[in-house]
Amino acid sequence: SYELTQPPSVSVSPGQTATITCSGDKLGDKYASWYQVKSGQSPALVIYQDTKRPSGIPERFSGSNSGNTATLSISGTQAMDEADYYCQAWDNYNVVFGGGTKLTVL
Amino acid sequence: QLQLQGSGPGLVKPSETLSLTCSVSGDSVSSTSDYWGWIRQSPGKGLEWIGSVSYFGHTYYNPSLKSRITISVDTSKKGFSLQLSSVTAADTALYYCVRHATVTHPHFDSWGQGTLVTVSS
Repeated sequence: SYELTQPPSVSVSPGQTATITCSGDKLGDKYASWYQVKSGQSPALVIYQDTKRPSGIPERFSGSNSGNTATLSISGTQAMDEADYYCQAWDNYNVVFGGGTKLTVL
Repeated sequence: QLQLQGSGPGLVKPSETLSLTCSVSGDSVSSTSDYWGWIRQSPGKGLEWIGSVSYFGHTYYNPSLKSRITISVDTSKKGFSLQLSSVTAADTALYYCVRHATVTHPHFDSWGQGTLVTVSS
C-alpha cells in the first residue's frame, strides 16, 4: 500500500520560514494536500492540488510537489502557526495521509 | 456556508456496531458534484480516511476497513451516515465527517467538529 512519510517534528523561530516535507513514491505524479490541526480544533485545509490556497488561508502558506517529495512552506512563521501538519494524497481510490509533523515555533 | 455536524453514541461496546450520522447545512447532500466522507484520528495518532459516498450512492472505502464499513447518504434527512461493525479498542477515535468535491485526487475542504467514540465494555 502507498505510504507518505513526514518528519515527526520541525522547529522554527518566529519570522523565519518553516519547511515541512512529505515523501512518497512518485508523489510528484499525484496531487498533494496539506492540513493544519491545532489543539482542540478540527483539521483545516491549507494547501490543495500541490500549490493552491483555499480562501482565507494566508499567503505565507505555500506548497510544491516534485519527484518523490511534496513541501509545505510557511514564510514569516507566527506563533499562531504552531500546530500539527498532515500531508495527503490519493492512490488508486485510496486516500493516504502522512504521519503528521508537529511544528513548534520557538 | 457549509456546516457539518456529526453525532452519535460516545461509547460503544466491543464487537458491536458503531453508528454515526452527519447533518449537512448550507449545502445539499443531494448535490451531484459533492462527496461525503469520514476521517478518524485515534488518540495520539494521525489521520485515517475511512471512506466516502456520492449522492448516487457510489462508495469508496479504505481497503483496510472495507469489510466492516457502510457509508450511505440520506437525502430526506439531509445527511449521511457511517456504520463500522465488530469494533475493538483500536476503533476508539475522534471521527470527523467531511466533504470533498472530487473522487479522484480528493482534498477535504469542509470538516465537522468531530465526534469522540470510545470502545469499551
